[in-house]
Amino acid sequence: EPEVTQTPSHQVTQMGQEVILRCVPISNHLYFYWYRQILGQKVEFLVSFYNNEISEKSEIFDDQFSVERPDGSNFTLKIRSTKLEDSAMYFCASSGQLGGAEPSTDTQYFGPGTRLTVL
Amino acid sequence: AQSVTQLGSHVSVSEGALVLLRCNYSSSVPPYLFWYVQYPNQGLQLLLKYTSAATLVKGINGFEAEFKKSETSFHLTKPSAHMSDAAEYFCAVSERTGYALNFGKGTSLLVTP
Repeated sequence: EPEVTQTPSHQVTQMGQEVILRCVPISNHLYFYWYRQILGQKVEFLVSFYNNEISEKSEIFDDQFSVERPDGSNFTLKIRSTKLEDSAMYFCASSGQLGGAEPSTDTQYFGPGTRLTVL
Repeated sequence: AQSVTQLGSHVSVSEGALVLLRCNYSSSVPPYLFWYVQYPNQGLQLLLKYTSAATLVKGINGFEAEFKKSETSFHLTKPSAHMSDAAEYFCAVSERTGYALNFGKGTSLLVTP
C-alpha cells in the first residue's frame, strides 16, 4: 500500500540554524500538508500546498517557514532560523488522487513524522 | 472557523468492554469529520471519516462513529476493547476537502486486562 515517507526520523539542531525536513507524498496525490505536534499537545496545521503554491496557511507559518516541491516527488519544509519552541514532531500528509472522482479527496494520509529537537 | 472538543484526555477500559470516546464539533458549514489513531512513536492513521453520506460510519479495527447534527457530536465507539487498541485518538474537523484538519487535543485510551 502506498505511504507517505519522511526523512530524517529525528533531527537535532542548534538554535538559529536552518533545517530542511523532507517528505515524499503518495505519488499520485495532489495536495500536500505540514502539521506539527509539540510534545503533549494537539496536532496543529501549518500549511497546505496545491498546484505548486501555498493554498492555506496558519498563523504559526510565519516568515521563518517555507515549503517547496523541488521535483516531482519531494515536498520540503524549511525553517530558516530555528527557535527552541520549534521543537516538535512534524508530520507531512497528502491527499487527492490524480484522476479520481474528486480531485480534492478528503482523506489525508500522514507520514511517520520527523522529530525536531532544537538545542 | 471549525473546531473540535474531545471530552476526557484519558479513558481507561477493561479488555472486552465498550469503548466510547467523545468528540463534539463546532462548524459554521456542514463539516467533514475524522477520527485518527496514533500508536506510540508512529504517525497518524485514519480510523474513519464522515463526509455527508451515511451518518453511521464504520472504520477499521471494529470502530464506528455516528454523526449527530442535533448534538454536534461524532463519538467513536467499539463494542469490545482489545489490548491492541491502546493508543492516542484524535478527532478532527475540516471545512471541506483539501483544506486543513483542525484536531482535538486527543484522548489517550488505556486498556486493562
